[in-house]
This record gives sequence, C-alpha cells and structure tokens, in this order.
Amino acid sequence: NAGVTQTPKFQVLKTGQSMTLQCAQDMNHEYMSWYRQDPGMGLRLIHYSVGAGITDQGEVPNGYNVSRSTTEDFPLRLLSAAPSQTSVYFCASSTDNYGYTFGSGTRLTVV
Amino acid sequence: AQSVTQLGSHVSVSEGALVLLRCNYSSSVPPYLFWYVQYPNQGLQLLLKYTTGATLVKGINGFEAEFKKSETSFHLTKPSAHMSDAAEYFCAVSDGVDSSYKLIFGSGTRLLVRP
Repeated sequence: NAGVTQTPKFQVLKTGQSMTLQCAQDMNHEYMSWYRQDPGMGLRLIHYSVGAGITDQGEVPNGYNVSRSTTEDFPLRLLSAAPSQTSVYFCASSTDNYGYTFGSGTRLTVV
Repeated sequence: AQSVTQLGSHVSVSEGALVLLRCNYSSSVPPYLFWYVQYPNQGLQLLLKYTTGATLVKGINGFEAEFKKSETSFHLTKPSAHMSDAAEYFCAVSDGVDSSYKLIFGSGTRLLVRP
C-alpha cells in the first residue's frame, strides 16, 4: 500500500496565484485532514472530512477550500496565495479515530 | 477550547540516558492522547496512543507514556536514549468519541541525543 500520497512535494507560488495540493489515500479511510506546520507552532488543523461529501473547518481555514468527492481524494485549494501561507502542509487519514497516518508533506513557498 | 502544552522546545540528553518529554493537555471530556515523531523532512509517525483502559501505554522504539488524569498529563519516556531517537516529538489530543478525528497538536519538542 502507498498509504497517504501528497503531490507536489515542493511548490513556489507568486502572491495571488491559486493552486491545488493533492492528497490521496488507498486505505479506504473515512477520516481525512489537512494540517499546516510552522516553526514553533506545531501542526494546525485547516480542514477535515469525516466521509465523502462531508467537510468542515478546523482552526485556520481562511484562504483555503476543500472538497471530498471520493473516499480516496481530499484536495486542498489555495484561492489566492499570500506569503503568510508559506508553510509545510500535511494530509492525514484515519479509519478508527485512533491515530492518523500522515503523508510526507508539501513544502510551499509564496513569494 | 482544547490545548496541548509541551514543556521545553528543545531537550538534550546523552546517549543511554533517560528521555522524558512532557505534555499537558486541557480537555473538558476524557481525551484520546497521542505522541508522534517526525524525522527531518518527513511526515509524522504515530509512536503511541491512549484511548481507554490501561493508563501506561507502550509504543514503538521502546517509548512509553502514562496518562495521569489528575495531573492532565501524558509524558513520554524512554529508559535509554539512542542516537536514532533524535527527532521532533509532538503530543496531540482529541476530544474523545464525538470529535476524535480532530487532533490538536502541541508545539513540539526537539530531542537532541549527545554521543
């Protein structure tokens, strides 16, 4: 099994550009989440989903959109990139609420 | 609101010494508690978890943690540090059954192991 796959691994955006961070899992997990990691701040929850068609906001949702049309995929969209969105983004999935499996991350720089 | 506090952003120990990483949480209901490890340029890997039952939890790589409700703590320990334990460690909490899929993370503790 590939687990949780995130693409791309690295991305540089100009301020105002939009893009989609991809996340796919092949474990048939119902729960999926997006986190951002910033130095000294741990991981902060952006959006999460409890199943296909169901999403909700986390701690820091502004500037991001998500959708969950299938169990496997949970893309994160940046609507208009800002330097404050420079971060490392992690997607994670879980089936039993007892601990998430994380992807390897996407390092995003907004200039 | 839930919160997680990890005391010490950096902890340095000698190889073979005891590792103690501290985590305190606030939660209005019995929580689920987790420790994750992150090696450089990698994602997070689950070390161990407490959901219900025995309060002393054993995880991978010789780590264990004890849930102490009276102290609202979930400290991570390992009797003897190894060089390969050098990494960043994150404590996380969720609010039990109703929102257990929403993890709140602490700010992390970077463990340095000296030869």
